[in-house]
Amino acid sequence: AAGVIQSPRHLIKEKRETATLKCYPIPRHDTVYWYQQGPGQDPQFLISFYEKMQSDKGSIPDRFSAQQFSDYHSELNMSSLELGDSALYFCASSSGQGAGYNSPLHFGNGTRLTVT
Amino acid sequence: GDSVTQMEGPVTLSEEAFLTINCTYTATGYPSLFWYVQYPGEGLQLLLKATKADDKGSNKGFEATYRKETTSFHLEKGSVQVSDSAVYFCALNPRSARQLTFGSGTQLTVLP
Repeated sequence: AAGVIQSPRHLIKEKRETATLKCYPIPRHDTVYWYQQGPGQDPQFLISFYEKMQSDKGSIPDRFSAQQFSDYHSELNMSSLELGDSALYFCASSSGQGAGYNSPLHFGNGTRLTVT
Repeated sequence: GDSVTQMEGPVTLSEEAFLTINCTYTATGYPSLFWYVQYPGEGLQLLLKATKADDKGSNKGFEATYRKETTSFHLEKGSVQVSDSAVYFCALNPRSARQLTFGSGTQLTVLP
């Protein structure tokens, strides 16, 4: 079965550079979530989109922005990168409203961002 | 706010041992509860879920029962295998939001 696809798998950037992470949800899933997982940490919710509109916002820094496109894929844009942004970034998708409640999140394998 | 408290790890067991990973939660209303598993270098995979009190989620020999009276959702398995070695996350989804709140994760290592 098709899963959530994230690209790239690994990304190395220098401080103050920008990065763009991409997420392709499972077909027919209309909700996308972004999570940040620091080393040895639990995943922290950043932002989510339902039907191409932002639905929930978590601990996403102002330097980050995201959007969901007409084909439901999503991109997380990160600017003025800092060392502390080094983490594993997960995208997840689900279908329908109340997602997560009755429609569990399906996670991608993540993008490991290293900022040097 | 909503929160999940998990048993601290790491947990090391011998193959065929009994596993319990404790999870308690704080939430308004009646959230859905989940256990996710993360293998090295991979994303989180849904292991099991329960959406209302007294529901029992089960999958691959793992079980967890939604206990409203004790606000708990402990994960159990009767006989662990080496392949169960992973990090296990307890999570909740409040009905009011479209996101998951995770516990801190418990690293499980099963030795042959």
